[in-house]
Amino acid sequence: KAGVTQTPRYLIKTRGQQVTLSCSPISGHRSVSWYQQTPGQGLQFLFEYFSETQRNKGNFPGRFSGRQFSNSRSEMNVSTLELGDSALYLCASRALLLGGELFFGEGSRLTVL
Amino acid sequence: TQLLEQSPQFLSIQEGENLTVYCNSSSVFSSLQWYRQEPGEGPVLLVTVVTGGEVKKLKRLTFQFGDARKDSSLHITAAQPGDTGLYLCAGAKTNFGNEKLTFGTGTRLTIIP
Repeated sequence: KAGVTQTPRYLIKTRGQQVTLSCSPISGHRSVSWYQQTPGQGLQFLFEYFSETQRNKGNFPGRFSGRQFSNSRSEMNVSTLELGDSALYLCASRALLLGGELFFGEGSRLTVL
Repeated sequence: TQLLEQSPQFLSIQEGENLTVYCNSSSVFSSLQWYRQEPGEGPVLLVTVVTGGEVKKLKRLTFQFGDARKDSSLHITAAQPGDTGLYLCAGAKTNFGNEKLTFGTGTRLTIIP
């Protein structure tokens, strides 16, 4: 079956702009999580959605938001971009909310100039 | 605050050598997962350990969960160039029906042919 698909793969923005990233989970998976990966901080948890409801949230400012649609596809938005938001944003899906393997997409690499 | 510390941060060894990567925390986890991430891709699950003291083997890779479920190790025997990648441990905590995964700082492994 098809894996987790993230779009766009690469994007460049300038400070102050906003960005929306999209994630299509594996068919049948209802949980979608978002992570930020940087060389300095590693893989940091942003939030997790399950059946259109945010179930977990990491320690990121309110500029980072997300949502999940009825077909389990998810989007995350970052407003008022800062240089420090440059990172690889990874989406992961799993079948259940508790336990099980996370299946990651290839990520969206965001560069903020 | 990084809950999961991995060591070493970087490791470069010759093909055929053995190595051990450590994942340490002061927190207790309900389970611990190990992932490997290759350039341009998302992390891929290698193993999940659940019981304190549990040992799992995956071909040349041996994973151990500490007795107190606070730490874990990954031992690779006769390393191959295909083992090159970023190794990430991830600890799971469950609270009120929600599970949150915290990723370690990562170990970047390079196997020299």
